[in-house]
Amino acid sequence: QVQLQESGPGLMKPSQTLSLTCAVSGGSISSSSFCWSWIRQPAGKGLEWIGRICASGGTEYNPSLKGRVTISMDTSKNQFSLKLNSVTAADTAVYYCAGQWDLPDHFDYWGQGTLVTVSS
Amino acid sequence: SSELTQDPAVSVALGQTVRITCQGDSLRSYYPSWYQQKPGQAPVNIFYGQNIRPSGIPDRFSGSSSGNTASLTITGAQAEDEADYYCNSRDSSVNHWVFGGGTKLTVL
Repeated sequence: QVQLQESGPGLMKPSQTLSLTCAVSGGSISSSSFCWSWIRQPAGKGLEWIGRICASGGTEYNPSLKGRVTISMDTSKNQFSLKLNSVTAADTAVYYCAGQWDLPDHFDYWGQGTLVTVSS
Repeated sequence: SSELTQDPAVSVALGQTVRITCQGDSLRSYYPSWYQQKPGQAPVNIFYGQNIRPSGIPDRFSGSSSGNTASLTITGAQAEDEADYYCNSRDSSVNHWVFGGGTKLTVL
């Protein structure tokens, strides 16, 4: 069974760069069957897809984040990471990492989520 | 860009049938996936593809799709089904994914 675990700072200041890591166990992030996504959820609100990276190394991002996002992977550590530049209070949310099957398309595995608060 | 629209809240009497809908242009091209989220927990995938229910998901959950509308049906709702439900689909014009705004289901 694939398991995902997010890690990163819980509290940040505006304008800083958010860095989160998702450690994957029980499966290889190099598997061609999967892509690996970041999804966030502000308190009391809905889910927002941030972006993903696939085994090929190809990435896709939510256009609404206006080029602030970078997702990378480290196959030697079996983990993938999110960087979000120039954070503001609007980036305060629970951040989830998820494993996504492409065919048929769905998010099969989820981390427990990590709360990131942006506050001065 | 594509949007997926869901009713914010739906209620159902215990044991009755409820349908949660999701509307969007992308659904003309792609089947949605559906997620159940209970307070303080990560979402759980409960339906995807044309007609696929993951292992461990009760068969009272079913999905359908026609035109720009997809539906998640719970036949014989149970108290434990009270949760938020989200649909998700690939955007039809660019390679990104969008979630519906979510539907809060109350079981009366």
